[in-house]
Amino acid sequence: NAGVTQTPKFRVLKTGQSMTLLCAQDMNHEYMYWYRQDPGMGLRLIHYSVGEGTTAKGEVPDGYNVSRLKKQNFLLGLESAAPSQTSVYFCASSARTSGEQETQYFGPGTRLLVL
Amino acid sequence: QQQVKQSPQSLIVQKGGISIINCAYENTAFDYFPWYQQFPGKGPALLIAIRPDVSEKKEGRFTISFNKSAKQFSLHIMDSQPGDSATYFCAARHAGGTSYGKLTFGQGTILTVHP
Repeated sequence: NAGVTQTPKFRVLKTGQSMTLLCAQDMNHEYMYWYRQDPGMGLRLIHYSVGEGTTAKGEVPDGYNVSRLKKQNFLLGLESAAPSQTSVYFCASSARTSGEQETQYFGPGTRLLVL
Repeated sequence: QQQVKQSPQSLIVQKGGISIINCAYENTAFDYFPWYQQFPGKGPALLIAIRPDVSEKKEGRFTISFNKSAKQFSLHIMDSQPGDSATYFCAARHAGGTSYGKLTFGQGTILTVHP
């Protein structure tokens, strides 16, 4: 099992450009999440999905859109990139169970630089 | 608002020493408290977790101490090793409502263990 994979690993954008980050998981997880990680701020939830075809806003959703057309994939889109979106983006997934099994498994991250 | 506060931001420990990282939370509607370990260039990975009805959990050299009345929990790393050098995040899982299952992370602690 590859677990959670993210594409691309690194990207440089100019202000105003658009791009899509792809997350894929092969663990048949129901829940998927997109976070951004910035120094001194921990991981902040951007958007999440509790199942195929559903999405919801997290803590910092502005400037981002998401889609979950297939259970195994969760896409994060930036329609018009801004320098404030320079960050490391992590995707995570978890099973739809209660208790301690609901561990979130993280991908390796996408480093995005917006100039 | 920051619902989980983590300290210190950085920690330097000598090999064989004890590393202690503290977290405090404000929201009483959390039902699960995991700690994640992150190495440079990698995604966070679950290290150890505790439920609020338990005051302590130990796995090898790693121990979580939980104080429900004080709304505080801490990670203790005994006999710290250079290989433990990483960033550590505490987190709290939302127990119900529309936020069910979501994690709120602390700001992270960069641990450096000197040989």
